[in-house]
Amino acid sequence: GEDVEQSLFLSVREGDSSVINCTYTDSSSTYLYWYKQEPGAGLQLLTYIFSNMDMKQDQRLTVLLNKKDKHLSLRIADTQTGDSAIYFCAEKAAGNKLTFGGGTRVLVKP
Amino acid sequence: KAGVTQTPRYLIKTRGQQVTLSCSPISGHRSVSWYQQTPGQGLQFLFEYFSETQRNKGNFPGRFSGRQFSNSRSEMNVSTLELGDSALYLCASSLGRGTGETQYFGPGTRLLVL
Repeated sequence: GEDVEQSLFLSVREGDSSVINCTYTDSSSTYLYWYKQEPGAGLQLLTYIFSNMDMKQDQRLTVLLNKKDKHLSLRIADTQTGDSAIYFCAEKAAGNKLTFGGGTRVLVKP
Repeated sequence: KAGVTQTPRYLIKTRGQQVTLSCSPISGHRSVSWYQQTPGQGLQFLFEYFSETQRNKGNFPGRFSGRQFSNSRSEMNVSTLELGDSALYLCASSLGRGTGETQYFGPGTRLLVL
């Protein structure tokens, strides 16, 4: 079955690294995504990783995938106040349907 | 390229009414998916349309329906509105060619049912 879990909240100091974790259950997931949602806005695609990759780096963002444990993480280096938002991980198996986690609210303190 | 646009951005309806929401995908994208976001249930997939045909459907009652036009614009309709239909409705577009492509989301339509 499909289920995606995330921790609810993360507080981090400006300039530090943030790590947001996600676990999923569908072993047939082909792509895993990270989206960012700011208050009153839609979802902004941050990055994604194909299931046969272990790591992907994109500027300040690093995605790690442990397929054996079905664990996905997003590391944000040098976290800024503008990174305060809700972050969603999502998996896609067949077709175009995304299954989302509940979201992690990240608060960046100056 | 212009992004995904949704209209209206905000809507207030009363129970029992019906509502139609519109989504214009990114130019060249042929797949449009709809999602409902609520504080209690999170983000849930409603359905996907590709080339004017529903290609995938989530677990929502028949009151929720959609369609897609030949220019790939999509509408979703909710009939006999209930209080629990209050939500942010998001649409996402993609090329529609395969599993590997990414979906780009619009700003959403916030529906309040009184």
